[in-house]
Amino acid sequence: DTGVSQDPRHKITKRGQNVTFRCDPISEHNRLYWYRQTLGQGPEFLTYFQNEAQLEKSRLLSDRFSAERPKGSFSTLEIQRTEQGDSAMYLCASSRWDSTSNEQFFGPGTRLTVL
Amino acid sequence: AQSVTQLGSHVSVSEGALVLLRCNYSSSVPPYLFWYVQYPNQGLQLLLKYTTGATLVKGINGFEAEFKKSETSFHLTKPSAHMSDAAEYFCAMFQGAQKLVFGQGTRLTINP
Repeated sequence: DTGVSQDPRHKITKRGQNVTFRCDPISEHNRLYWYRQTLGQGPEFLTYFQNEAQLEKSRLLSDRFSAERPKGSFSTLEIQRTEQGDSAMYLCASSRWDSTSNEQFFGPGTRLTVL
Repeated sequence: AQSVTQLGSHVSVSEGALVLLRCNYSSSVPPYLFWYVQYPNQGLQLLLKYTTGATLVKGINGFEAEFKKSETSFHLTKPSAHMSDAAEYFCAMFQGAQKLVFGQGTRLTINP
């Protein structure tokens, strides 16, 4: 399978714990995006990388959230001191920034439940 | 500010009937528009996209959408619904040529 993969698919944690998610993009894609989707809503942009550089962060990304993309390949999204409001589906997408349409390919998501 | 609005959070049609999912956008620049489909517990799959050129775009699974600048709309249609079309559909627009801005989604139910 050469699509975008995310790990884990599901995560249940207690309030106050730290969690980390991983995203592996399509190998030739130089852009990687993180979105958050809450129940009954469309995805909301969190942040994106071009190669290893984090170029934009949404104000939704509080200081408890941090994302990295070392070496411009896989990316991790860490949430510290989780809160119940962090419960959501976290989606990763990748694209190749050399086309006019810049189509984003999405992974299956990581569903986070904070108890 | 750029935004996307989907009219109707839930649409129900009979198998074989026309599917029409409505999407309106607000943008100060020519938009790039997309329709994605999401099946339960899965990520988003691109159905079709409009960038430039022909305003009627055809996508996968028999879906098509028409970009109407005068109406700021990009409605999704399919002539004959199939049971497998039951899913959540999202209209989206590029903002700043970098990130996608999504509508709130429309859940499509197909009645046998």
